[in-house]
Amino acid sequence: EAGVTQSPRYAVLQEGQAVSFWCDPISGHDTLYWYQQPRDQGPQLLVYFRDEAVIDNSQLPSDRFSAVRPKGTNSTLKIQSAKQGDTATYLCASSEGAEQFFGPGTRLTVL
Amino acid sequence: GDSVIQMQGQVTLSENDFLFINCTYSTTGYPTLFWYVQYSGEGPQLLLQVTTANNKGSSRGFEATYDKGTTSFHLQKTSVQEIDSAVYYCANPSGSFNKLTFGAGTRLAVCP
Repeated sequence: EAGVTQSPRYAVLQEGQAVSFWCDPISGHDTLYWYQQPRDQGPQLLVYFRDEAVIDNSQLPSDRFSAVRPKGTNSTLKIQSAKQGDTATYLCASSEGAEQFFGPGTRLTVL
Repeated sequence: GDSVIQMQGQVTLSENDFLFINCTYSTTGYPTLFWYVQYSGEGPQLLLQVTTANNKGSSRGFEATYDKGTTSFHLQKTSVQEIDSAVYYCANPSGSFNKLTFGAGTRLAVCP
């Protein structure tokens, strides 16, 4: 069974640029999560979906961040006008029960 | 709100040493608690879970004991190996969609 896949694996931007992260969850998993993991910290939940519906996006850092899951399968997290403080690894996870399965993450560096 | 606390940021051991990692939690409900392991360059993966029903979980030689009295959830392994070098997170799921709250993590380095 294929796991959660994410792309790109790495991104390096200048401040002010936009970036999108893409996630393909495990087939059949109805819940999808996006986490931000700053260096040497635990993952922090940003937003999660049940099918195509946003359940909770209250932890998105600002309106520069947005996330969609239009068909209830793949998802995209976008950062408009990135800042140095956005430097982190962005993890996607999916689940159909209590256990969440994580992708390898996208490591973002904002210069 | 719910929280999990890991005080040990870094643990360095030699192969065959005993591992003990502490985690305390604060939650309003009866928790299920998880230990996740994250190897370098990978996402976290579930190592084991413990519920109030069984108070103990084990996987791959690791064991975790849940103690409601002290609100602690410790991870231990009798004899660590170099391949166990990773970051270990305790986590508490909450809500209908099992939203995870992670601790800060404990980085384990095992020297050969």
